[in-house]
Amino acid sequence: KAGVTQTPRYLIKTRGQQVTLSCSPISGHRSVSWYQQTPGQGLQFLFEYFSETQRNKGNFPGRFSGRQFSNSRSEMNVSTLELGDSALYLCASSSGMNSPLHFGNGTRLTVT
Amino acid sequence: GQNIDQPTEMTATEGAIVQINCTYQTSGFNGLFWYQQHAGEAPTFLSYNVLDGLEEKGRFSSFLSRSKGYSYLLLKELQMKDSASYLCAVIGNNDMRFGAGTRLTVKP
Repeated sequence: KAGVTQTPRYLIKTRGQQVTLSCSPISGHRSVSWYQQTPGQGLQFLFEYFSETQRNKGNFPGRFSGRQFSNSRSEMNVSTLELGDSALYLCASSSGMNSPLHFGNGTRLTVT
Repeated sequence: GQNIDQPTEMTATEGAIVQINCTYQTSGFNGLFWYQQHAGEAPTFLSYNVLDGLEEKGRFSSFLSRSKGYSYLLLKELQMKDSASYLCAVIGNNDMRFGAGTRLTVKP
C-alpha cells in the first residue's frame, strides 16, 4: 500500500505570496490532518478533514485554509505569507478517530 | 485549553533503559499515542494507550494513568538508532494534539 504523499517537498516563497500544498492519503483513509512543525513549537494542529468536511480546526489565522476532495486528497493554502510561516508542513491520514496517524514526508516551506 | 508536557532533551547510554514522561491536561480524553521521529523524517507510530496500564511491544513499552494525566514511554536495551525525538500525542474531544517532543541522544 502506498504511503501518504505530499507535494512539493520543498518550496521557497516571498512574503505576501500565497502557497498551496497537496496531500494524497493512504488508499481507504478518509481522515486527513495537517500539522505545522517548527523547532520551537513542535507539531501544531492546523485542521482535519473527513469526507470533504472540515471536522476540526486549530488556532491558526484565517490565512490558513484547506479543503478535501471526493477522492480524499487534500490541499492546504496559506495566503499573504509571513516570515513566521516558514516551517515543515506535515499531512497525516488515518482510518478513524482513534487510529494512528500515518504521516507524509512533509513540505518544507521557506518564506523570504 | 490543552497542555501536553514532555522533557525537552534526554541522554542515555547504549544498552541502558530510558523512561520518557508525558503529562497532559486536555478537554476530554480518547487515547494517547507515542510517535518516533528521526531527524529529517516523518513521525512514525510507536504505541497507543486508551486504558490504564502498561502496553508492551518488544523493546518499547508505554504506560498510562488517566487519573493522573500521565504516561511514559520505556525504551529498553537502547540502540544507537533509537536516537530520535519522541512525541506524545493525546486525542481530546475532537482532535489529536502533540507535545513538543523529547529529543533522545543515545551515546556509546
